[in-house]
Formats: sequence, structure tokens, C-alpha cells
Amino acid sequence: GAVVSQHPSWVICKSGTSVKIECRSLDFQATTMFWYRQFPKQSLMLMATSNEGSKATYEQGVEKDKFLINHASLTLSTLTVTSAHPEDSSFYICSANTGASYNEQFFGPGTRLTVL
Amino acid sequence: AQSVAQPEDQVNVAEGNPLTVKCTYSVSGNPYLFWYVQYPNRGLQFLLKYITGDNLVKGSYGFEAEFNKSQTSFHLKKPSALVSDSALYFCAVGGGSQGNLIFGKGTKLSVKP
Repeated sequence: GAVVSQHPSWVICKSGTSVKIECRSLDFQATTMFWYRQFPKQSLMLMATSNEGSKATYEQGVEKDKFLINHASLTLSTLTVTSAHPEDSSFYICSANTGASYNEQFFGPGTRLTVL
Repeated sequence: AQSVAQPEDQVNVAEGNPLTVKCTYSVSGNPYLFWYVQYPNRGLQFLLKYITGDNLVKGSYGFEAEFNKSQTSFHLKKPSALVSDSALYFCAVGGGSQGNLIFGKGTKLSVKP
């Protein structure tokens, strides 16, 4: 089946630093990848949609200058949290669209970000 | 707009008993419905999906779900719950504006021995 990986699985950083999270589709090409954020005991909130070779589409209320997304190839999308602050601490999950018309997606294992 | 509702924040079941996790949806057009499970500090694992065809869909780990068009429901079921089924369950519908899935708020399932 389709496999999506994320790296790192967890990261702790100091306030003001930047953190990059990678999302890779391992055995398929993903023209579209999605980045979600999940707060404790809450549902997934779509942050942005990442399309290969074009600018990401951000959801309302998500700062595009703070959460930089790059989709450089059909198997890799990166999310960079710039100048991280403690309120950015969260669980970040990516998913990749297989291209099927019914929006089926496969999810990465998530990245736990803790900003001190 | 597409939406999904999971009316229960938590479901408690004794091991060996049947379980049901409820989901209702609102979509324009044909619904594409999914169930995912999430264990603590893990990503989402796909359980099953309904696209078309038989209303009863069988998925991973013995789970199944029944698509009911008249009641706009897609409840997740399992005949005999295991303690290891304890997790957070998300119902989702396809058709977001970006091709994304739209998730319900999640239901925490607790199975006690």
C-alpha cells in the first residue's frame, strides 16, 4: 500500500529558531500533499495544500510567512516553522493524495514539535 | 459545504461486547466516506472507506461500517471489542475545496477488560 513518511518524528527546539519537517511518499508519486495540525484531544486542522511545482494554498488564519511549505518533487514536501514560539508546539501530520478522484489520502506518522 | 459530525466525544465498551462509533455526514453529491484510527502520538491509520457499491464495508482489524443514505450515516462497528481497540477514531468525508478530507472531531473509544 501507499506509504508516507515524516521526519523527524519529534523535535524540541528553542524559541526563535526554525524547524523543518519533511514529508515523503515512499512508493507513489503525490501531486498533492496536505499539512495538518492537531492540538491535544482535538481533530486535524488543515493548514495548507501543497502542490508540486507551485505555491502552497494556505487555509484562512494560517500565516504563510511563518509556515513555509515547499513541494520540490512528486515525493517530497517540507514544512518549515520559522521563528518558532511555544504556541507553535503541536502535532503536525502530512498526507498525500494518490490522485484518485475520491480524495483518498495516506497519512504520515506525524511530527511532535515542542518549542521551549 | 461538506461536513461530518461525530456526536460522541467518548464511547466506553467492555471487552468482548459489540461497539459502535457514530458518524453522520452532509455532502452535496455522492459521498466518499472514510474511517481512520489514531493511537497516541501517532499518525492516522486507514480503516475503511465507502466510495460506491455495497452499503456494508469491511475494513482492517475486524471493523466494518454501514453506509445509510437515508439517514446520512456511516457508523463504525465491530462485533467484539478488544482492549487494543482503545484509540481515537475519526470519520472523514472527501470533497474539500483543495481535494482534502474533512474530519469529524473524533471519538475516543475506551475498551475495558
